[in-house]
Amino acid sequence: QKEVEQNSGPLSVPEGAIASLNCTYSDRGSQSFFWYRQYSGKSPELIMSIYSNGDKEDGRFTAQLNKASQYVSLLIRDSQPSDSATYLCAVILNMNTGFQKLVFGTGTRLLVSP
Amino acid sequence: DGGITQSPKYLFRKEGQNVTLSCEQNLNHDAMYWYRQDPGQGLRLIYYSQIVNDFQKGDIAEGYSVSREKKESFPLTVTSAQKNPTAFYLCASSIGQDYYEQYFGPGTRLTVT
Repeated sequence: QKEVEQNSGPLSVPEGAIASLNCTYSDRGSQSFFWYRQYSGKSPELIMSIYSNGDKEDGRFTAQLNKASQYVSLLIRDSQPSDSATYLCAVILNMNTGFQKLVFGTGTRLLVSP
Repeated sequence: DGGITQSPKYLFRKEGQNVTLSCEQNLNHDAMYWYRQDPGQGLRLIYYSQIVNDFQKGDIAEGYSVSREKKESFPLTVTSAQKNPTAFYLCASSIGQDYYEQYFGPGTRLTVT
């Protein structure tokens, strides 16, 4: 089982719709979760972090965390063509050495059509 | 402006040559990281440094070397021992190892032929 899993997509939504991106993780002890947006040919940009169960909203973005089910999701309301990108889920894993490693999923490609 | 810079943006090398990728940050962050990204794969950790003059191997350190002589700088050398060096290389930093939000530089795309 991969440490962080995402559907590669593409997820296609019309402009103005809600895009829902999902991520599951394997380490039940993980406490910190992140969503990065990566445009084609560019580096990842941190857009959301979430540490507690429930929802966290920032503008059109809402991150949802359910530790019991080991999944984290990202909702994008009123999707715009400029939201078309690959969204990377990242999870902190606690290594035996004490190092807190950030592990990335392979990303979900989102396409928002006008 | 505070941020992370990587240079060059594109780099072309012949097989068998060592090449050094630059990463500089003026965010006053203690921790710095190097990742490699290949198509269809997640980011993979090459090396990380939590403090000046100290660094540790990540998951795919073979064929790479780093140094951390200054807080602001964390250069990565891709040696001829790296079997598949062509990739997108990303440098990141965080306030400290216990502060998990990592911020990325613009990346260097290395092509070795």
